[in-house]
Amino acid sequence: QVQLQESGPGLVKPSQTLSLTCTVSGGSINSGSYFWTWIRQHPGKGLEWIGFIYYSGTTYYNPSLQSRLTISVDTSKNRFSLKLSSVTAADTAVYYCARGVGTVTTPWFDPWGQGTLVTVSS
Amino acid sequence: QSVLTQPPSASGTPGQRVTISCSGSSSNIGSNYVFWYQQLPGTAPKLLIYRNNLRPSGVPDRFSGSKSGTSASLAISGLRSEDEADYYCVARDDSLSGPVFGGGTKLTVL
Repeated sequence: QVQLQESGPGLVKPSQTLSLTCTVSGGSINSGSYFWTWIRQHPGKGLEWIGFIYYSGTTYYNPSLQSRLTISVDTSKNRFSLKLSSVTAADTAVYYCARGVGTVTTPWFDPWGQGTLVTVSS
Repeated sequence: QSVLTQPPSASGTPGQRVTISCSGSSSNIGSNYVFWYQQLPGTAPKLLIYRNNLRPSGVPDRFSGSKSGTSASLAISGLRSEDEADYYCVARDDSLSGPVFGGGTKLTVL
């Protein structure tokens, strides 16, 4: 049974870079059948897609975040990562990683990690 | 403001049937599949319905999804207290080239 676990700092200063890692266990990130996803949820609000990555390194980003966003994959460690630069308080959110199933045009997300709260504050 | 529109709240009594609507446009629901997620308090979302009306293994058949035109609905029959959660609809938006979420509906079981 595949499980995902987010890790990274819970507090980031404004203008700095937010960095998170999602470690996949119980399955290989190398599978071409899936893609790996970041989604965030602002406090008390809805969900926002951040981006996908395939094991090959092909990425798809939310256009609203693209200029600040890098998603990468490390197949040797079975994990993928998120870097979001020049953060502001508006980037404070719970960040989830999830496995994408289907295709990038008809994706669903299952399972999800438990989520990690990242607060942007000085 | 979310691209997909859901009512912020819904409620029902145990045993009742409730429906949650999700309204979009031709660039999202009108031309793509709809998915539904359930988020229990303090937990990550869980897939409930995929490709409009399919249930993953383990999801009770009390949950059903439908789509018509640029709208979709989630129906929950035989409402139970453990159904109290936030429910989100999702569809790919062709303008965004990625998935967009509804704002979520908080379901209260009275």
